[in-house]
Amino acid sequence: EAQVTQNPRYLITVTGKKLTVTCSQNMNHEYMSWYRQDPGLGLRQIYYSMNVEVTDKGDVPEGYKVSRKEKRNFPLILESPSPNQTSLYFCASSQTGGAYEQYFGPGTRLTVT
Amino acid sequence: AQSVTQLGSHVSVSEGALVLLRCNYSSSVPPYLFWYVQYPNQGLQLLLKYTTGATLVKGINGFEAEFKKSETSFHLTKPSAHMSDAAEYFCAVSERGYQKVTFGTGTKLQVIP
Repeated sequence: EAQVTQNPRYLITVTGKKLTVTCSQNMNHEYMSWYRQDPGLGLRQIYYSMNVEVTDKGDVPEGYKVSRKEKRNFPLILESPSPNQTSLYFCASSQTGGAYEQYFGPGTRLTVT
Repeated sequence: AQSVTQLGSHVSVSEGALVLLRCNYSSSVPPYLFWYVQYPNQGLQLLLKYTTGATLVKGINGFEAEFKKSETSFHLTKPSAHMSDAAEYFCAVSERGYQKVTFGTGTKLQVIP
């Protein structure tokens, strides 16, 4: 089954404790992206990657890191989480960017206290 | 820079009534346009998209949208609302030649029996 998986689905952590949210896709997609969803703000792009070792900033990259060492994986790293990073996070992938449909993971709800 | 405006964060319609969700975009070149739907506690899934060709696009679940370049709009419609249409709907834009996708703030559709 074609899918995007994220782990964990729910995470409660404390300020400053480094964490990683994993994202994996099994569709051999070149393009992968991370979004955060906040009430009233919709989805905002954090980072995206057009292929292995190629990443670029989205609209809200501050406080986040990403890496793309393998085509299927695109982890999101919060090295020193803060309460304003409490949000619902989605990973997505597509064949390439632009005109192609994005396939979304189920989301990771992160709470930083 | 590309941007998307969705008018109305909440829309209520009666079951069987017309659904109209509005989306206006700003782009320096003709863009790719998308509508995604998010059911409660789920990720987003594609309803329909416009890339080129016919300006009236049909999607899943009876939805359609029309690309109107002169009005920079891509409104989503459905002739007759069903209870199962209750969800949040997101319009998205991607400029041709670029990989970045920008989402609107979303419209929550409530269907009243």
